[in-house]
Amino acid sequence: DAKTTQPTSMDCAEGRAANLPCNHSTISGNEYVYWYRQIHSQGPQYIIHGLKNNETNEMASLIITEDRKSSTLILPHATLRDTAVYYCIVRVGKETSGSRLTFGEGTQLTVNP
Amino acid sequence: GAVVSQHPSWVICKSGTSVKIECRSLDFQATTMFWYRQFPKQSLMLMATSNEGSKATYEQGVEKDKFLINHASLTLSTLTVTSAHPEDSSFYICSANPYEQYFGPGTRLTVT
Repeated sequence: DAKTTQPTSMDCAEGRAANLPCNHSTISGNEYVYWYRQIHSQGPQYIIHGLKNNETNEMASLIITEDRKSSTLILPHATLRDTAVYYCIVRVGKETSGSRLTFGEGTQLTVNP
Repeated sequence: GAVVSQHPSWVICKSGTSVKIECRSLDFQATTMFWYRQFPKQSLMLMATSNEGSKATYEQGVEKDKFLINHASLTLSTLTVTSAHPEDSSFYICSANPYEQYFGPGTRLTVT
């Protein structure tokens, strides 16, 4: 699986959009970009994933650059409950059934009142 | 989304004793489950892959005789930490996936 690079930490004001970048310059054509987050002392939570098109769900939007070497997770209206470590993971295959995830260090997002 | 539960949420045990942690998929069947360990201020590290009806696959550096994994049914995997020592104190998390991988809430193990 391709390696990812994320900033160690970011701050965001409550109610504003949080834009979390991820660099994955060695991504292969069949590798998907996944985002998970982990609130303190809880298990990770799936957020969103994509291959090359932008994706949106009820939690967030995922913007993948045309060359697929980087992506941005967007939380449109951050709340205090969005304070967590966000992990960007690149892996082969759309479905993760039976396949492991490799976690990097992630980005600690702190949403401030 | 799918629900994965773990029991217990936290456990304190004395050095030398064994502790069993359960991971259950509540609304789906999971032929494969994963066990992770997370030390304070660190990321999750995969320990082993649990396969229903067969032996678990352990990551390099993880002692299979110390961390016993049993996946006896399609909804239950157990991790037993045998002869626990203080250095085994950690946050243990399991995951399973009908489509995307869903994680349990984690088990905090403290060995005194």
